Amino acid sequence: DTAVSQTPKYLVTQMGNDKSIKCEQNLGHDTMYWYKQDSKKFLKIMFSYNNKELIINETVPNRFSPKSPDKAHLNLHINSLELGDSAVYFCASRVAGGTQYFGPGTRLTVL
Amino acid sequence: EDQVTQSPEALRLQEGESSSLNCSYTVSGLRGLFWYRQDPGKGPEFLFTLYSAGEEKEKERLKATLTKKESFLHITAPKPEDSATYLCAVQGGAGGTSYGKLTFGQGTILTVHP
Repeated sequence: DTAVSQTPKYLVTQMGNDKSIKCEQNLGHDTMYWYKQDSKKFLKIMFSYNNKELIINETVPNRFSPKSPDKAHLNLHINSLELGDSAVYFCASRVAGGTQYFGPGTRLTVL
Repeated sequence: EDQVTQSPEALRLQEGESSSLNCSYTVSGLRGLFWYRQDPGKGPEFLFTLYSAGEEKEKERLKATLTKKESFLHITAPKPEDSATYLCAVQGGAGGTSYGKLTFGQGTILTVHP
């Protein structure tokens, strides 16, 4: 009974390609997040959706576009991938005023 | 802008050797300070939330405390299975587009040798 799940676990691709990462939570939470963890393990927020509405949009290149088809899903689409996009991407979710729970991460490697 | 600094960056302990990890923060209106544990190749696992200075929480060998400027994660008689990266994060009080946003420190890598 996975709480926050992400697919794929690993993603290896060439520069210039477009790729998507999917996230699903079965906790009934109404807010979901995308974080990026760089090679130094520093976690930084990218986006947040609350009930399918974008509420946090940090300084992220517009090649990154989140999409929330419903409140249980938050996908991340990345266009024209660059070497610097290589990182681990984590999805998280929470109920209002509650704790954020993280998914297992997607390791993206751009060659 | 909210800021979190953790120290030390890495800590090596012998099994049974108690110690503390530090998390210093600056935040506009603290709504919560969070401790997470992260094992290699996995997502952060929630440990504690602290909301106000003076608050303490415990779980097994871990105890988290909070002051107005910093938090400590005390580890008593650690075991090798406590080896992990420990992350501290704060949620500030600004509403609107900062709703629920967590600002993380860089983490402390803890290694406990048997």
